[in-house]
Amino acid sequence: QSVLTQPPSVSGAPGQRVTISCTGSSSNIGAGHDVHWYQHLPGTAPKLLISVNSNRPSGVPDRFSGSRSGTSASLAITGLQAEDEADYYCQSYDSSLSSYVFGEGTKLTVL
Amino acid sequence: QVQLQESGPGLVKPSETLSLSCTVSGGSISSYYWGWIRQPPGKGLDWIGGFSYGGSTNYLPSLKSRITISIAPSKNQLSLELRSVTAADTAVYWCARYSTVDGFDIWGQGTMVTVSS
Repeated sequence: QSVLTQPPSVSGAPGQRVTISCTGSSSNIGAGHDVHWYQHLPGTAPKLLISVNSNRPSGVPDRFSGSRSGTSASLAITGLQAEDEADYYCQSYDSSLSSYVFGEGTKLTVL
Repeated sequence: QVQLQESGPGLVKPSETLSLSCTVSGGSISSYYWGWIRQPPGKGLDWIGGFSYGGSTNYLPSLKSRITISIAPSKNQLSLELRSVTAADTAVYWCARYSTVDGFDIWGQGTMVTVSS
């Protein structure tokens, strides 16, 4: 069980907007540690999607956006496309554990 | 561009030692933080440890007694040693580069390790 809580699954129709939450605590997100988001397709390596809460690496479509507030962060995907169907993970650092931590992962289904 | 490649046995017997290497090409291992992340079948991603260019290591607390991560600068390699493995250590293992401004931005392709007799 991770210290970063994500919903197990979210879904949306093509073209719609979905958000994925990542809830932490005062020892990780709430302590000011940045949140990064990854997209993971089965059989491949995870791909950095959002860095430092809201930055999009080169090549990531602007349909993906991130935010952080208090002890939580969220990933928003607008204009859903079939190719967005994947697992999404948030990641931060936990001061109490002295460990990098991943969220439990959220499976996005495009209906 | 920087690329990472994991290598090592795909099958390890229970109670033995899992040893993996990660070769860095296109850049120097003597900078950045380098981590190992694993994913057991059907489960999520777990960071298990890493090595900082400053020479420090940190490990997942639950693995601390069994894990050693080191680098060989002359080979531009990162190594993982996990001792006394059990079936619970069966997973895909990735090495990845980390920076505070980019997160884990570069990953190897991953290697599946099965612990079984």
